[in-house]
This record gives sequence, structure tokens and C-alpha cells, in this order.
Amino acid sequence: RKEVEQDPGPFNVPEGATVAFNCTYSNSASQSFFWYRQDCRKEPKLLMSVYSSGNEDGRFTAQLNRASQYISLLIRDSKLSDSATYLCVVNSNTGNQFYFGTGTSLTVIP
Amino acid sequence: SAVISQKPSRDICQRGTSLTIQCQVDSQVTMMFWYRQQPGQSLTLIATANQGSEATYESGFVIDKFPISRPNLTFSTLTVSNMSPEDSSIYLCSVVVGGNQPQHFGDGTRLSIL
Repeated sequence: RKEVEQDPGPFNVPEGATVAFNCTYSNSASQSFFWYRQDCRKEPKLLMSVYSSGNEDGRFTAQLNRASQYISLLIRDSKLSDSATYLCVVNSNTGNQFYFGTGTSLTVIP
Repeated sequence: SAVISQKPSRDICQRGTSLTIQCQVDSQVTMMFWYRQQPGQSLTLIATANQGSEATYESGFVIDKFPISRPNLTFSTLTVSNMSPEDSSIYLCSVVVGGNQPQHFGDGTRLSIL
């Protein structure tokens, strides 16, 4: 079983829509969780960390469900500029290893 | 977060040659990693660069092909040796500033082998 599983999509949504991505992880002792955004032919950039209590940054909301071992990213009021690949990343319980999802492709359509 | 400078940003090389990629950070970091990302694929970890000792390689990657140096807490190099067209990829360094912190990536090196 992979450490991190992520639906690759693609997700094609109209501007203004709300879209959610999920990512499941296999190690219940995982310590920390992140969402990254990667634009075509660019490096991944940290979008937000995911905290146990859930956290919000503008139109973006990240949540962690330890019982079911998944993290989610919700994007409200999608913009054309949100089109990118979104990667979930899980840090191992030792803190030394990071496991990347395969990425979910999002295209926001005018 | 740290400021990461990765060089070169791109190169086109002849098969059989070697290329060394540099990763410089503006502050001391606890961990440095080297990744490869082939077109349309997710990132694949090559190795963890350990300061003052040999890198820790992932399955499928060996030191003879991808020698790595990390002489201090702010600098690392990755060499892609005896290159073949299959090595054409984006190579990325990343750093972690401290425990349970996220990774931050350099801009990447886009490598094409003819």
C-alpha cells in the first residue's frame, strides 16, 4: 500500500465553483501534513500546512481527520489562477521522511 | 522560510557526460533532499543529503550515478553522472528548516540529454 494516496483527477470546474481534494495516508503515527501547489514546469510551492483543528487561509481550507487518516483541501470561489496541480505531503512519525501524493490536477474554466 | 538558489536552472548535455547541480540556502537547515520529476509525474526522492557524511539513497538510486555532497548546513551538490536520455528530467533540491516543518524547494534544474 502506498504511504499517500491521492486522486489524480483531473478536476475541471467553472469559475466560482467550490472544489475539494482528499488525500489518504497509511501511517497513523504521521506527524505533519501539508498541501503544495505546483504550476506547470515550476517547483512545488507550499500552499498551507494542515493542523489538527483545521485551518483556513482566505478561500482555502485544510482539514485533517486522524481517525480516518485523510487530509482535505477545499477551495471556494475558484479563480482561473487556481489552475495547477495540488500535492499533498505527509511527514513520517520520525519527522525525517516526507511522502508525496501523485498530485491532483485542477483546471478552472471561464 | 529559507531562500534557496539552485544552479543551473537548465542545461542541455551530451550523453556520457556529467553535470553537477548546486543548491545554496541562505540559512542553516536541518535537512536537504534531492528529487527528480519526470514530465507528467510526481516527485521521486533520489536521496537525503547528510551533512558531513554519505547521502542516504532511495531504492533505485546509487551513489555512483548520483554522487551527492553536503559539506555544510547551507550547501549541497548533486551530480548526474554518465548521462543518458533517460536522465532528462527536472531535478529539485529541497530543504527543511526544522522539525515538523514543511519542505521548501529550489527553482529546479531542467536537464535535457541529447
